[in-house]
Amino acid sequence: SQQGEEDPQALSIQEGENATMNCSYKTSINNLQWYRQNSGRGLVHLILIRSNEREKHSGRLRVTLDTSKKSSSLLITASRAADTASYFCATPYSGGGADGLTFGKGTHLIIQP
Amino acid sequence: DTAVSQTPKYLVTQMGNDKSIKCEQNLGHDTMYWYKQDSKKFLKIMFSYNNKELIINETVPNRFSPKSPDKAHLNLHINSLELGDSAVYFCASSQLGYGYTFGSGTRLTVV
Repeated sequence: SQQGEEDPQALSIQEGENATMNCSYKTSINNLQWYRQNSGRGLVHLILIRSNEREKHSGRLRVTLDTSKKSSSLLITASRAADTASYFCATPYSGGGADGLTFGKGTHLIIQP
Repeated sequence: DTAVSQTPKYLVTQMGNDKSIKCEQNLGHDTMYWYKQDSKKFLKIMFSYNNKELIINETVPNRFSPKSPDKAHLNLHINSLELGDSAVYFCASSQLGYGYTFGSGTRLTVV
């Protein structure tokens, strides 16, 4: 079943601005991941944040996790045209098993030059 | 050095046909997956294989069957294709506790 929900569904900003996307989920998790998908391409793993972490950085990306609110955010600083893509949060599959993931519907980010 | 490769990239076929999509990973990952992405970009897990054992089987029609000849390969076979099967199918692999590596996708169009 679907676990994560991204917000907003679409976001358009000017190049150089910061972009923030949010993700809410329903059940307890041990980690949450963010992925990027460029048009017509596969998904690319960006960051994995574990349940005992509150914040994680990778280059211009900053991810936060609030397990009490069951929410996460992805911040992209100093955005570039190449950041135009869909961004998905993913959480472990609630049906059990090994490490399957369920994905939200994604945030479509457009960076205006 | 493609980490997860799937073929073909595009597949156009008629209703009722049987088709296969191949996937190979050279990362040494223990688990491989098939995902379906619909026209609204929603990704749904279909199958997961760990050491040749099916461990997740989402409610997909039994016309879909994963076949894993070895740890590095997970092929998807589809019987009696229907219009609603049109989608992009992604293969992925992972090691427990780490992010997934996805293939570039196979766009299946059933006419």
